Amino acid sequence: ETGVTQTPRHLVMGMTNKKSLKCEQHLGHNAMYWYKQSAKKPLELMFVYNFKEQTENNSVPSRFSPECPNSSHLFLHLHTLQPEDSALYLCASSQDGNYGYTFGSGTRLTVV
Amino acid sequence: DAKTTQPPSMDCAEGRAANLPCNHSTISGNEYVYWYRQIHSQGPQYIIHGLKNNETNEMASLIITEDRKSSTLILPHATLRDTAVYYCIVRSVMDTGRRALTFGSGTRLQVQP
Repeated sequence: ETGVTQTPRHLVMGMTNKKSLKCEQHLGHNAMYWYKQSAKKPLELMFVYNFKEQTENNSVPSRFSPECPNSSHLFLHLHTLQPEDSALYLCASSQDGNYGYTFGSGTRLTVV
Repeated sequence: DAKTTQPPSMDCAEGRAANLPCNHSTISGNEYVYWYRQIHSQGPQYIIHGLKNNETNEMASLIITEDRKSSTLILPHATLRDTAVYYCIVRSVMDTGRRALTFGSGTRLQVQP
């Protein structure tokens, strides 16, 4: 357990479904991140939140919608996804964007 | 951020030292070298970072050349659990709080029994 908890660990959803991924950290960090890792590809940054404010959106399609209600929780709302969105979705947190990023174990998403 | 170059894969015998190289010839004076690793299907894990001095912690040692154009991550006694993808990342201290960490393809280290 790294201190960053992601749920669910695995998710299978249809293209017309709406689901949400949850990330929680109790490390006292003030920055949180969503990354996507497709098969055999490097991690891709999706969204960055600093002090609950979104500071970076890396040209992510609108079918992915992040939400950060407080500095400890981060959500990724999913709707009308495509099969190519199947990937490992990783959440991370850090203090002031510093080197010590702590990652969760990820959610393995399969879109059918 | 300065670009880094790492070999795509390496093998190491269990119990021996694993030396993972990284080239960062365009590194600038305020850029740190960071190392993370990712064990299969898990999130990346921070290992170590340094500016110009060699660094050591309980996980690894980081050796940075005097001209700072390359570095080596050393796992002194590799175990099977060290099998992972290792990422070398160069990042400016000015990016702290402004730009998030980005990852390349890394080096896939396979520790052989």
